Amino acid sequence: NAGVTQTPKFQVLKTGQSMTLQCAQDMNHEYMSWYRQDPGMGLRLIHYSVGAGITDQGEVPNGYNVSRSTTEDFPLRLLSAAPSQTSVYFCASSGLAGSTDTQYFGPGTRLTVL
Amino acid sequence: AQSVAQPEDQVNVAEGNPLTVKCTYSVSGNPYLFWYVQYPNRGLQFLLKYITGDNLVKGSYGFEAEFNKSQTSFHLKKPSALVSDSALYFCAVRASGQAGTALIFGKGTTLSVSS
Repeated sequence: NAGVTQTPKFQVLKTGQSMTLQCAQDMNHEYMSWYRQDPGMGLRLIHYSVGAGITDQGEVPNGYNVSRSTTEDFPLRLLSAAPSQTSVYFCASSGLAGSTDTQYFGPGTRLTVL
Repeated sequence: AQSVAQPEDQVNVAEGNPLTVKCTYSVSGNPYLFWYVQYPNRGLQFLLKYITGDNLVKGSYGFEAEFNKSQTSFHLKKPSALVSDSALYFCAVRASGQAGTALIFGKGTTLSVSS
């Protein structure tokens, strides 16, 4: 198993540009989520999904869109990048057997918005 | 609302000494508690979790954590620190009975082990 994969590893955008961060998992996990990590702020939830076709907002959803057309993939879209979106983005997945399942994280995407 | 507090931004310990990284939580109902470690420029790696049962949970790389319900704490411990344990550590919580909800993370504690 590759686990949770994310692409790209690094990205530099100009303000106003759009892009999609890719996330895929091969563990047949129902639950997937996106976090951003900023210094001193820990991980903050952006969006999450409990299964294909179902998504919901987390703590900091503004400026981001998600969709879940398949179990495996959960892309995160930045519609119009802003410098405040400079961060490290992590995708995670877990089974949905109650809430005891361990979340597994991808390696992250480091995004810089100029 | 659920929350996690890691009261120390940084913990410094000498190699060979015991280490403790503190975590307290607030959740309605029974908590499910997790510890993750992040090495520089890497993703988060799972260390251990408490779901139910024995209050002392053993995990990867010789780490363990003690669940204390009365003090709402879940401190991470290791009897003898290694320089290679130097990393950023995150505590996280989810309330039981909330399948499909996200983990709530603390802000992280940087562990620095000196040789």
